[in-house]
Amino acid sequence: KNEVEQSPQNLTAQEGEFITINCSYSVGISALHWLQQHPGGGIVSLFMLSSGKKKHGRLIATINIQEKHSSLHITASHPRDSAVYICAVRLTGGGNKLTFGTGTQLKVEL
Amino acid sequence: NAGVTQTPKFQVLKTGQSMTLQCAQDMNHEYMSWYRQDPGMGLRLIHYSVGAGITDQGEVPNGYNVSRSTTEDFPLRLLSAAPSQTSVYFCASSYDGGRGEQYFGPGTRLTVT
Repeated sequence: KNEVEQSPQNLTAQEGEFITINCSYSVGISALHWLQQHPGGGIVSLFMLSSGKKKHGRLIATINIQEKHSSLHITASHPRDSAVYICAVRLTGGGNKLTFGTGTQLKVEL
Repeated sequence: NAGVTQTPKFQVLKTGQSMTLQCAQDMNHEYMSWYRQDPGMGLRLIHYSVGAGITDQGEVPNGYNVSRSTTEDFPLRLLSAAPSQTSVYFCASSYDGGRGEQYFGPGTRLTVT
């Protein structure tokens, strides 16, 4: 079993919908990252969290350390949000290395 | 700043050939890493470095070699290419390892025939 699980694996939404992508992990962590991979392949960092909630534009990321769970929310979704969203964690005692989920493929349709 | 650059973008090798994937960053980051991305799997760490002269193995190091002679450059060498090494390779850097924002290069798509 992967230490980082994302759900759903695939998601299709209509423009304007509120979207939630989930990330669960089974071990202790010191940081969690949300990344976005565009169809062209490039990967960009969206958020790095160790507690609470962060917001950037239409994106909101939350983490519940006790429940070992994080969510990425997209408000007022748009076709340009279509991408793969990847969760990655820095394991406690894992040095500086990251462990990645397999990603959630999001498609937002007009 | 150029950020993290990788060359080449695409490469086709024959089994047994060797090559070097180049990675450079201009942000003075100490931490650099190489990942491979395969369908249905998360990014997997090949090798990483916490500073010039210091490298260590990741999750899938076999068949790859790295060195870090400067802060800026972190090349990845394929010693004798195998079809199992067909993948997309990403180089990344950060100020503080897994605790810092991650910066990724554009990727190299490698096919080994």
